[in-house]
Amino acid sequence: EPEVTQTPSHQVTQMGQEVILRCVPISNHLYFYWYRQILGQKVEFLVSFYNNEISEKSEIFDDQFSVERPDGSNFTLKIRSTKLEDSAMYFCARNRDASGANVLTFGAGSRLTVL
Amino acid sequence: GIQVEQSPPDLILQEGANSTLRCNFSDSVNNLQWFHQNPWGQLINLFYIPSGTKQNGRLSATTVATERYSLLYISSSQTTDSGVYFCAVGPRANSKLTFGKGITLSVRP
Repeated sequence: EPEVTQTPSHQVTQMGQEVILRCVPISNHLYFYWYRQILGQKVEFLVSFYNNEISEKSEIFDDQFSVERPDGSNFTLKIRSTKLEDSAMYFCARNRDASGANVLTFGAGSRLTVL
Repeated sequence: GIQVEQSPPDLILQEGANSTLRCNFSDSVNNLQWFHQNPWGQLINLFYIPSGTKQNGRLSATTVATERYSLLYISSSQTTDSGVYFCAVGPRANSKLTFGKGITLSVRP
């Protein structure tokens, strides 16, 4: 499997704006996840996605957040109306590495700055 | 939810030294992974080790699931080992992972 690729690497937005973070490529046979890390803090689970459905979600993943597969290859995280506290590094991950071993494999992350 | 405690919070080593990083967790798990976050922020998986012992070069890890702890050993440390080491646990193979606060390791030349 190819590596997890995330775009954009950094996005700056104004409070209240919508943001879409992208993760490619995906496969129908894998779990995909979004985690976030506020600067200097621990990594927090947001949501997992399997077989076109949300598998698990955390209390952080409220109505402002959504995940989609808009075109069958991208996996997106949308934040509808950003808040200052949404500023963080957002990581996409899948549950397989390049050799197929069952380990959580992260993308390089998308840094979101909300002003 | 499950609690994950890592110790020590910070560790400073001279290049070539050995170290042991500890992860305690509050409930039984079937998924435990160690990660290294390098100074550029990338999270690299080191081990998937819900039980037993594994070795990969200078790194090895041991999880004693019945006693709810895992240890990561770094031997002959190098400056490139610097960064934050996270332990993360979950109830099942593909479930969400709960991360500890991490251990910040600085290896000095």
